[in-house]
Amino acid sequence: TQLLEQSPQFLSIQEGENLTVYCNSSSVFSSLQWYRQEPGEGPVLLVTVVTGGEVKKLKRLTFQFGDARKDSSLHITAAQPGDTGLYLCAGFDQGGKLIFGQGTELSVKP
Amino acid sequence: EAGVVQSPRYKIIEKKQPVAFWCNPISGHNTLYWYRQNLGQGPELLIRYENEEAVDDSQLPKDRFSAERLKGVDSTLKIQPAELGDSAVYLCASTPGTTQETQYFGPGTRLLVL
Repeated sequence: TQLLEQSPQFLSIQEGENLTVYCNSSSVFSSLQWYRQEPGEGPVLLVTVVTGGEVKKLKRLTFQFGDARKDSSLHITAAQPGDTGLYLCAGFDQGGKLIFGQGTELSVKP
Repeated sequence: EAGVVQSPRYKIIEKKQPVAFWCNPISGHNTLYWYRQNLGQGPELLIRYENEEAVDDSQLPKDRFSAERLKGVDSTLKIQPAELGDSAVYLCASTPGTTQETQYFGPGTRLLVL
């Protein structure tokens, strides 16, 4: 069974701070995705990383896929209260099923 | 374009009662997914439909859960009877084609079983 482990599970920071969220697996994934879920809503796709070593930027968010395609990270620069939410990494297993990590709950205080 | 619609948004029931959730996917999306998300966890797939056919229901607890997608559009997920451990958010998602595409999620139904 392919599993995705996220760390940390909870993160509470002040506005303007930087942070990094990690997503790790012992298995190789063809691609990994990052979602953001706000309270009372479903997850929304932020990015898909496909190539080992790939780096993608989305405004203040930087996503990296590990060289071996077993891990990924999400770095947020100068976090803002609007970044508050649950960040989920996900990948497709060999059967094509999307599996999720347990999520990182981020709280950014003004 | 309208997103995935789910109803009800919230449901509180007593254990052993039945409950049903409804999902209307994005127009033209052939593949529909039901997920369960426990508190503090990521979503877990319950069942996947391609058109009206359930192609992956391996994680659906079939003793109490059932689902249908008549005519390959709307879908309902039913629990009968509900147990305390069924309290969770039930999410519906859809994609235009088959697998490994971007999944579009609805807002979910929050179920509390007392």
